[in-house]
Amino acid sequence: GESVGLHLPTLSVQEGDNSIINCAYSNSASDYFIWYKQESGKGPQFIIDIRSNMDKRQGQRVTVLLNKTVKHLSLQIAATQPGDSAVYFCAEAGNAGNMLTFGGGTRLMVKP
Amino acid sequence: DAGVIQSPRHEVTEMGQEVTLRCKPISGHNSLFWYRQTMMRGLELLIYFNNNVPIDDSGMPEDRFSAKMPNASFSTLKIQPSEPRDSAVYFCASRPRGATNEKLFFGSGTQLSVL
Repeated sequence: GESVGLHLPTLSVQEGDNSIINCAYSNSASDYFIWYKQESGKGPQFIIDIRSNMDKRQGQRVTVLLNKTVKHLSLQIAATQPGDSAVYFCAEAGNAGNMLTFGGGTRLMVKP
Repeated sequence: DAGVIQSPRHEVTEMGQEVTLRCKPISGHNSLFWYRQTMMRGLELLIYFNNNVPIDDSGMPEDRFSAKMPNASFSTLKIQPSEPRDSAVYFCASRPRGATNEKLFFGSGTQLSVL
Protein backbone atom coordinates (compact mmCIF):
# COMPACT_ATOMS: atom_id res chain seq x y z
CA GLY A 1 0.00 0.00 0.00
CA GLU A 2 0.88 3.66 -0.04
CA SER A 3 2.45 5.49 2.83
CA VAL A 4 1.83 8.95 4.11
CA GLY A 5 4.24 10.53 6.51
CA LEU A 6 6.92 8.87 8.55
CA HIS A 7 6.29 5.17 8.30
CA LEU A 8 6.62 2.96 5.27
CA PRO A 9 4.22 0.04 5.12
CA THR A 10 6.19 -3.17 5.39
CA LEU A 11 5.59 -6.52 3.78
CA SER A 12 7.42 -9.44 5.33
CA VAL A 13 7.58 -12.68 3.35
CA GLN A 14 9.36 -15.98 3.61
CA GLU A 15 12.08 -16.73 1.10
CA GLY A 16 10.61 -18.67 -1.77
CA ASP A 17 7.09 -17.33 -1.33
CA ASN A 18 5.43 -14.97 -3.76
CA SER A 19 5.14 -11.27 -2.87
CA ILE A 20 2.44 -8.83 -3.87
CA ILE A 21 3.01 -5.12 -3.41
CA ASN A 22 0.09 -2.79 -4.01
CA CYS A 23 -0.19 0.81 -5.09
CA ALA A 24 -3.17 3.12 -5.43
CA TYR A 25 -2.55 5.93 -7.88
CA SER A 26 -4.40 9.21 -7.88
CA ASN A 27 -4.61 10.56 -11.42
CA SER A 28 -7.16 8.93 -13.70
CA ALA A 29 -5.41 10.60 -16.66
CA SER A 30 -2.14 8.76 -15.99
CA ASP A 31 -1.28 6.43 -18.82
CA TYR A 32 2.15 5.11 -17.88
CA PHE A 33 3.22 3.35 -14.71
CA ILE A 34 6.54 2.13 -13.40
CA TRP A 35 7.80 0.10 -10.49
CA TYR A 36 11.17 0.96 -9.00
CA LYS A 37 13.24 -0.90 -6.43
CA GLN A 38 15.45 1.02 -4.02
CA GLU A 39 18.06 -0.77 -1.95
CA SER A 40 19.64 0.87 1.05
CA GLY A 41 22.12 3.56 0.06
CA LYS A 42 21.26 3.38 -3.62
CA GLY A 43 19.08 5.20 -6.09
CA PRO A 44 15.81 3.75 -7.39
CA GLN A 45 16.28 1.09 -10.06
CA PHE A 46 13.77 0.38 -12.80
CA ILE A 47 11.98 -2.96 -12.51
CA ILE A 48 9.08 -2.99 -14.94
CA ASP A 49 6.65 -0.61 -16.61
CA ILE A 50 3.19 -0.80 -18.14
CA ARG A 51 1.03 1.44 -20.30
CA SER A 52 -2.65 2.00 -19.74
CA ASN A 53 -3.63 0.04 -22.84
CA MET A 54 -2.48 -3.10 -21.04
CA ASP A 55 -3.65 -4.72 -17.81
CA LYS A 56 -0.77 -7.11 -17.30
CA ARG A 57 2.88 -7.29 -18.16
CA GLN A 58 5.44 -9.89 -17.19
CA GLY A 59 9.16 -9.73 -16.72
CA GLN A 60 11.67 -12.05 -15.18
CA ARG A 61 10.05 -13.19 -11.89
CA VAL A 62 7.95 -10.01 -11.80
CA THR A 63 4.46 -9.22 -13.02
CA VAL A 64 2.70 -5.88 -12.97
CA LEU A 65 -1.09 -5.73 -12.95
CA LEU A 66 -3.04 -2.58 -13.73
CA ASN A 67 -6.69 -2.03 -12.83
CA LYS A 68 -7.70 1.33 -14.25
CA THR A 69 -11.26 1.06 -12.96
CA VAL A 70 -10.13 1.33 -9.36
CA LYS A 71 -6.79 3.03 -10.10
CA HIS A 72 -4.77 0.20 -8.65
CA LEU A 73 -1.37 -1.15 -9.57
CA SER A 74 0.34 -4.20 -8.16
CA LEU A 75 3.75 -5.80 -8.41
CA GLN A 76 4.03 -9.53 -8.01
CA ILE A 77 7.41 -11.10 -7.32
CA ALA A 78 7.64 -14.85 -7.76
CA ALA A 79 9.86 -16.98 -5.54
CA THR A 80 11.03 -14.03 -3.47
CA GLN A 81 14.74 -14.01 -2.67
CA PRO A 82 16.75 -12.21 0.02
CA GLY A 83 18.10 -9.91 -2.69
CA ASP A 84 14.58 -8.67 -3.28
CA SER A 85 14.59 -6.95 0.11
CA ALA A 86 14.24 -3.26 -0.63
CA VAL A 87 11.75 -0.41 -0.78
CA TYR A 88 9.47 -0.56 -3.81
CA PHE A 89 7.94 2.53 -5.37
CA CYS A 90 5.23 2.86 -7.94
CA ALA A 91 5.22 5.93 -10.17
CA GLU A 92 2.74 7.32 -12.66
CA ALA A 93 2.92 9.71 -15.59
CA GLY A 94 0.29 11.24 -17.82
CA ASN A 95 0.00 12.83 -21.22
CA ALA A 96 0.09 16.33 -19.78
CA GLY A 97 3.76 16.02 -19.10
CA ASN A 98 6.51 13.50 -18.98
CA MET A 99 7.11 13.80 -15.27
CA LEU A 100 6.86 10.82 -12.98
CA THR A 101 4.97 11.16 -9.70
CA PHE A 102 6.13 8.69 -7.10
CA GLY A 103 4.13 6.94 -4.42
CA GLY A 104 5.35 6.66 -0.85
CA GLY A 105 6.90 3.21 -1.12
CA THR A 106 6.56 -0.19 0.52
CA ARG A 107 9.36 -1.96 2.31
CA LEU A 108 9.75 -5.63 1.43
CA MET A 109 11.57 -7.80 3.94
CA VAL A 110 12.47 -11.34 2.99
CA LYS A 111 13.00 -13.81 5.80
CA PRO A 112 15.48 -16.60 5.12
CA ASP B 1 27.82 2.55 -19.41
CA ALA B 2 28.73 4.23 -16.13
CA GLY B 3 25.19 5.30 -15.33
CA VAL B 4 24.22 8.61 -13.78
CA ILE B 5 27.10 9.91 -11.68
CA GLN B 6 26.54 12.14 -8.69
CA SER B 7 29.02 13.84 -6.41
CA PRO B 8 29.66 14.08 -3.60
CA ARG B 9 28.12 10.91 -2.12
CA HIS B 10 27.91 12.54 1.27
CA GLU B 11 27.99 16.18 2.29
CA VAL B 12 27.97 17.51 5.83
CA THR B 13 27.82 21.25 6.21
CA GLU B 14 26.79 23.92 8.65
CA MET B 15 23.70 26.02 8.44
CA GLY B 16 24.25 29.06 6.25
CA GLN B 17 26.90 27.51 4.06
CA GLU B 18 26.58 27.10 0.32
CA VAL B 19 26.16 23.55 -0.97
CA THR B 20 26.67 22.44 -4.57
CA LEU B 21 25.58 19.02 -5.76
CA ARG B 22 26.79 17.70 -9.11
CA CYS B 23 25.40 15.32 -11.69
CA LYS B 24 26.62 13.77 -14.90
CA PRO B 25 23.76 12.17 -16.83
CA ILE B 26 24.09 9.12 -19.03
CA SER B 27 25.62 10.03 -22.35
CA GLY B 28 22.97 10.57 -25.00
CA HIS B 29 20.16 11.21 -22.55
CA ASN B 30 18.48 14.53 -23.18
CA SER B 31 16.39 15.00 -20.04
CA LEU B 32 17.71 15.48 -16.53
CA PHE B 33 15.79 15.51 -13.26
CA TRP B 34 16.63 16.51 -9.70
CA TYR B 35 14.67 14.78 -6.91
CA ARG B 36 14.79 15.11 -3.14
CA GLN B 37 13.97 12.18 -0.88
CA THR B 38 12.99 12.43 2.78
CA MET B 39 11.13 10.08 5.07
CA MET B 40 8.37 12.62 5.55
CA ARG B 41 7.74 13.54 1.93
CA GLY B 42 9.16 10.67 -0.09
CA LEU B 43 10.55 11.43 -3.55
CA GLU B 44 9.83 14.96 -4.69
CA LEU B 45 10.66 16.36 -8.10
CA LEU B 46 12.53 19.63 -7.76
CA ILE B 47 13.30 20.57 -11.36
CA TYR B 48 13.83 19.00 -14.73
CA PHE B 49 15.66 19.96 -17.92
CA ASN B 50 15.08 19.02 -21.54
CA ASN B 51 18.02 19.60 -23.88
CA ASN B 52 19.73 21.64 -21.14
CA VAL B 53 16.75 23.99 -20.76
CA PRO B 54 14.82 24.12 -17.46
CA ILE B 55 11.24 23.07 -18.20
CA ASP B 56 9.57 22.93 -14.80
CA ASP B 57 11.06 24.25 -11.57
CA SER B 58 7.80 24.40 -9.64
CA GLY B 59 9.14 21.85 -7.19
CA MET B 60 12.07 23.98 -6.11
CA PRO B 61 11.30 24.81 -2.47
CA GLU B 62 12.38 28.43 -2.47
CA ASP B 63 14.84 30.93 -3.84
CA ARG B 64 17.66 29.38 -1.86
CA PHE B 65 17.62 26.54 -4.38
CA SER B 66 18.94 26.94 -7.91
CA ALA B 67 19.88 24.49 -10.66
CA LYS B 68 21.85 24.83 -13.84
CA MET B 69 22.70 22.66 -16.80
CA PRO B 70 25.45 24.40 -18.77
CA ASN B 71 25.85 21.50 -21.17
CA ALA B 72 24.42 18.08 -21.95
CA SER B 73 26.82 16.26 -19.64
CA PHE B 74 26.69 18.29 -16.44
CA SER B 75 24.21 19.77 -14.01
CA THR B 76 24.43 21.38 -10.59
CA LEU B 77 21.95 21.92 -7.77
CA LYS B 78 22.94 24.69 -5.42
CA ILE B 79 21.54 25.59 -2.02
CA GLN B 80 22.54 28.97 -0.63
CA PRO B 81 22.24 29.45 2.28
CA SER B 82 21.61 25.91 3.47
CA GLU B 83 19.30 25.13 6.41
CA PRO B 84 18.88 22.02 8.57
CA ARG B 85 15.52 21.27 6.92
CA ASP B 86 17.35 20.82 3.61
CA SER B 87 18.87 17.62 4.98
CA ALA B 88 17.82 14.83 2.63
CA VAL B 89 19.07 12.56 -0.12
CA TYR B 90 19.20 14.35 -3.45
CA PHE B 91 18.93 12.23 -6.58
CA CYS B 92 19.71 13.11 -10.13
CA ALA B 93 18.09 11.09 -12.92
CA SER B 94 18.29 11.17 -16.68
CA ARG B 95 16.03 9.89 -19.43
CA PRO B 96 16.81 8.66 -22.91
CA ARG B 97 15.84 10.63 -25.96
CA GLY B 98 12.30 9.70 -27.03
CA ALA B 99 9.11 11.18 -25.68
CA THR B 100 7.22 7.95 -25.23
CA ASN B 101 9.61 6.48 -22.72
CA GLU B 102 9.30 8.03 -19.30
CA LYS B 103 11.69 5.58 -17.67
CA LEU B 104 14.27 7.41 -15.57
CA PHE B 105 17.74 6.23 -14.67
CA PHE B 106 18.80 7.36 -11.22
CA GLY B 107 22.18 8.09 -9.74
CA SER B 108 23.22 6.87 -6.30
CA GLY B 109 22.30 10.15 -4.66
CA THR B 110 23.98 12.70 -2.43
CA GLN B 111 23.23 12.41 1.27
CA LEU B 112 23.14 15.98 2.58
CA SER B 113 23.28 16.78 6.27
CA VAL B 114 22.99 20.41 7.32
CA LEU B 115 23.89 20.92 10.98
